[in-house]
Amino acid sequence: NAGVTQTPKFRVLKTGQSMTLLCAQDMNHEYMYWYRQDPGMGLRLIHYSVGEGTTAKGEVPDGYNVSRLKKQNFLLGLESAAPSQTSVYFCASSYFRQGTEAFFGQGTRLTVV
Amino acid sequence: SQKIEQNSEALNIQEGKTATLTCNYTNYSPAYLQWYRQDPGRGPVFLLLIRENEKEKRKERLKVTFDTTLKQSLFHITASQPADSATYLCALEDTGTASKLTFGTGTRLQVTL
Repeated sequence: NAGVTQTPKFRVLKTGQSMTLLCAQDMNHEYMYWYRQDPGMGLRLIHYSVGEGTTAKGEVPDGYNVSRLKKQNFLLGLESAAPSQTSVYFCASSYFRQGTEAFFGQGTRLTVV
Repeated sequence: SQKIEQNSEALNIQEGKTATLTCNYTNYSPAYLQWYRQDPGRGPVFLLLIRENEKEKRKERLKVTFDTTLKQSLFHITASQPADSATYLCALEDTGTASKLTFGTGTRLQVTL
């Protein structure tokens, strides 16, 4: 049982380049999330999805887009990367009811130079 | 604005002692409070969840308390071991949709022999 898998694990981008981070979960979870983690800032929610075909903005959505075409996949896109987007990105998923744990991927370390 | 505070300084304790970590929040009325463990280079892993109408929750050597009047949660690890060394994150879940979590910055625990 793989849980939540993120691809890639590491990436270096030049300013202005674009990329897509892929998150896949095999637990049939309805809810999926993208967070970024920066030193001293904690995990901050970028975008989330409550089901296939739905997306919504989180706390820090600017500069990112997401898509949930399939229930098991949640994609995070950076159209024009900026150094401020250098961070560790985590995907998470959970069941569709409150008071339930979130399962996290192993993270993607992104550096924008 | 909403704020979640965890002691940013590392907590150093001796093996066998009880570690107590604090999570304080303001301008928030969470329905649930969760604690996660994060090891370097890894994603957070769920430990315990406590509901707003619960005072205390236990799981093996772990205990969580939740005081909605003080707006505080305490996380205890009894008989601590070097393997407990990690960063511990507090997360609040509100009553809205999607079970979105808001995280504190975490407290690093170091257990020494």
